[in-house]
Amino acid sequence: DAGVIQSPRHEVTEMGQEVTLRCKPISGHNSLFWYRQTMMRGLELLIYFNNNVPIDDSGMPEDRFSAKMPNASFSTLKIQPSEPRDSAVYFCASRWQDLLASKANEQFFGPGTRLTVL
Amino acid sequence: QKEVEQNSGPLSVPEGAIASLNCTYSDRGSQSFFWYRQYSGKSPELIMFIYSNGDKEDGRFTAQLNKASQYVSLLIRDSQPSDSATYLCAAIKAAGNKLTFGGGTRVLVKP
Repeated sequence: DAGVIQSPRHEVTEMGQEVTLRCKPISGHNSLFWYRQTMMRGLELLIYFNNNVPIDDSGMPEDRFSAKMPNASFSTLKIQPSEPRDSAVYFCASRWQDLLASKANEQFFGPGTRLTVL
Repeated sequence: QKEVEQNSGPLSVPEGAIASLNCTYSDRGSQSFFWYRQYSGKSPELIMFIYSNGDKEDGRFTAQLNKASQYVSLLIRDSQPSDSATYLCAAIKAAGNKLTFGGGTRVLVKP
């Protein structure tokens, strides 16, 4: 398996532009997570999906951020309009999970997208 | 109080010594615990998970869990320079929930 795939790997854009980050989870995984990592704030969960349904978006910073998962093999994170403070590394992660089980399985991270907003 | 807390470090360890990393969590309902390693500029990768009280060993790594004290630790034996990285502790309440990560401990292994 190729693992979690993210694109683009690097994105440089100007303030006010729309940014779309893409993620392909590992085939068969039913949970998908979007994280943001900065030196100041560490690794923050933005939103996660179980079976393509958004479960918790409380980490989404504001209305400029939106995420979709139209099917089991694709998700997007969109920032519109982007601001310099959005500069960070954005990770997508996935795992297969029996949602009724008490114990959680391993979560696999993608390589990340390094976003720079000028 | 953060839900999962770690000392940010850096933890400086001579090569060949034991590195001891600690993590505390606030939610008593947490059931599963994970240790991830993250090299600079890379994504986190899982090195250990533990569900039950006690010790779990995997090669040079040992995870320890004490649910009564809400404490998880990671020991790295015979530390190597390649172990220099940030180690992230994570906890989760139930399988369908989200992982909550600590801020990470930076480890430096000096030759």
